[in-house]
Amino acid sequence: ILNVEQSPQSLHVQEGDSTNFTCSFPSSNFYALHWYRWETAKSPEALFVMTLNGDEKKKGRISATLNTKEGYSYLYIKGSQPEDSATYLCASDNYGQNFVFGPGTRLSVLP
Amino acid sequence: DTAVSQTPKYLVTQMGNDKSIKCEQNLGHDTMYWYKQDSKKFLKIMFSYNNKELIINETVPNRFSPKSPDKAHLNLHINSLELGDSAVYFCASSRQGENYGYTFGSGTRLTVV
Repeated sequence: ILNVEQSPQSLHVQEGDSTNFTCSFPSSNFYALHWYRWETAKSPEALFVMTLNGDEKKKGRISATLNTKEGYSYLYIKGSQPEDSATYLCASDNYGQNFVFGPGTRLSVLP
Repeated sequence: DTAVSQTPKYLVTQMGNDKSIKCEQNLGHDTMYWYKQDSKKFLKIMFSYNNKELIINETVPNRFSPKSPDKAHLNLHINSLELGDSAVYFCASSRQGENYGYTFGSGTRLTVV
């Protein structure tokens, strides 16, 4: 079973600030890397799936990059808004069988 | 139209009881999963299942068993419930093999007293 780590564990930013956090995963036998957004009392929602080294994905103010050789992915949020407050999960695809999730980064955006 | 639905949303039961949590998906996905959100809020895989193969996380006690009457359902049965089974359980589904993300259910909060 893979080990997926995320940092920081939690983050507080002011509205309008840009921020980023990290997901690290084993680079050997890489299959795919997924990012999810998880609001309290809801279920995780898919943001991105990334497969190729150097991949960059963007959705509105949120973007992500992938480095499969060194085993990390960054998630960036530009101009954070209070509605961005959530836990952001990354998951590494376990040889195409299931996802191994990181512990998440809990983001709080203060108005 | 809920894509992945779990019932019940909350379940409070006594130690030693046997209970089931139901999961249904209407997305036509061919693989379903059960995850447990542990005390540190990690999502840990318990089972993944398609119509060909059941993959079990070996750390899951054999009191837990998945039952799939058809492709759209994957229910979770738990025998002889213990206090430590208290957690939130999430069902998810995906289309296999094409790097699709998961669609999650809304979770079932199980409390064993």
